[in-house]
Amino acid sequence: QKEVEQNSGPLSVPEGAIASLNCTYSDRGSQSFFWYRQYSGKSPELIMSIYSNGDKEDGRFTAQLNKASQYVSLLIRDSQPSDSATYLCAVDSGGGADGLTFGKGTHLIIQP
Amino acid sequence: ETGVTQTPRHLVMGMTNKKSLKCEQHLGHNAMYWYKQSAKKPLELMFVYSLEERVENNSVPSRFSPECPNSSHLFLHLHTLQPEDSALYLCASSQDRGEGLRETQYFGPGTRLLVL
Repeated sequence: QKEVEQNSGPLSVPEGAIASLNCTYSDRGSQSFFWYRQYSGKSPELIMSIYSNGDKEDGRFTAQLNKASQYVSLLIRDSQPSDSATYLCAVDSGGGADGLTFGKGTHLIIQP
Repeated sequence: ETGVTQTPRHLVMGMTNKKSLKCEQHLGHNAMYWYKQSAKKPLELMFVYSLEERVENNSVPSRFSPECPNSSHLFLHLHTLQPEDSALYLCASSQDRGEGLRETQYFGPGTRLLVL
């Protein structure tokens, strides 16, 4: 059973600070890792994808992957109230009957 | 239309009804998916179609029946559902490169289903 674990929160961060979201996964063969943002009542939208160990930066967002520790994180710099949402970590082991395995999500609240 | 579209956006049905959910992707992808999202639970994969071939998912009750007539369209046929099937049903698509390499999945807006 492939599992993706996230702290459900809520995680409360002051506006302008760095928000740090964490995720661990059980399948050591996982190849692709994604962070999706989901606003209440809306569908998930892709924020970042990462495939190799290290950091990947895109604007205010940085994804970090450590395959040895089976850990992936998302940093949001200069947090804005509009960043308040649920962030879903998703892991793809690739091919076959697998889609993405999602965590339950972390509810992030940016306090003005 | 762009991206992934789903209809209807909201659906209320009785347990004896038969209805269908429709998904269409305009991204040129060759893989499509149905997910179920219930409150307080992670997104659950229901079905995968890659290159129009269904990959079995035995954990889904037979009252849900998928259909993929071509790489752009995906249906989920519903019959004799239960109240616990009430959820947000999400369609997604991606490009399957083969050899276990599948690119990012893009989601449609979802169908909010309520079974009475």
